[in-house]
Amino acid sequence: DTGVSQDPRHKITKRGQNVTFRCDPISEHNRLYWYRQTLGQGPEFLTYFQNEAQLEKSRLLSDRFSAERPKGSFSTLEIQRTEQGDSAMYLCASSPRPWEQYFGPGTRLTVT
Amino acid sequence: TQLLEQSPQFLSIQEGENLTVYCNSSSVFSSLQWYRQEPGEGPVLLVTVVTGGEVKKLKRLTFQFGDARKDSSLHITAAQTGDTGLYLCAGQYAGGTSYGKLTFGQGTILTVHP
Repeated sequence: DTGVSQDPRHKITKRGQNVTFRCDPISEHNRLYWYRQTLGQGPEFLTYFQNEAQLEKSRLLSDRFSAERPKGSFSTLEIQRTEQGDSAMYLCASSPRPWEQYFGPGTRLTVT
Repeated sequence: TQLLEQSPQFLSIQEGENLTVYCNSSSVFSSLQWYRQEPGEGPVLLVTVVTGGEVKKLKRLTFQFGDARKDSSLHITAAQTGDTGLYLCAGQYAGGTSYGKLTFGQGTILTVHP
């Protein structure tokens, strides 16, 4: 059990570019969550997968954001046409049970 | 909108002192978690409480869940410099979906000086 991993750890991109982040959950965890955290704030929920099904999305997840978990294992989060307001830490968490979420180290996105 | 109020936002103390961080909401939680986060890293789960009135201890850390399941506290005894970090409470609201999404407080930045 190596924990939740995320790639890349840091991403710097220019406004208008597309970016994609990857999350590898703890094996056999069927629940996977994405959160976004801005400086000085707690994380905010973005979306939830149970196996490969995306069951819940926050209103924070605009049309420019899309997430997938194609085989119920790893997940990707894509942001199209990035804006400076997208700069944040993007966190992935997996869990075997709803009340027990384990977070990855996050991907720090900076949009210039 | 369901809000989780965490206080204080900043806490600066000397090594050996005791401290308490509070987490409050007007809504009822089905469960509440406390996390600790280091700069540039993801939150690390410290404890989960699910029963009203529950008290859990983790070495020098004591976590309490309010009887009505609307509030929680984290108490640290004899703080050490290694306790420095961001402490986050997060809850799953009763009556919500069963998917378990967490609502976080804004966090408490704890600095313990030697």
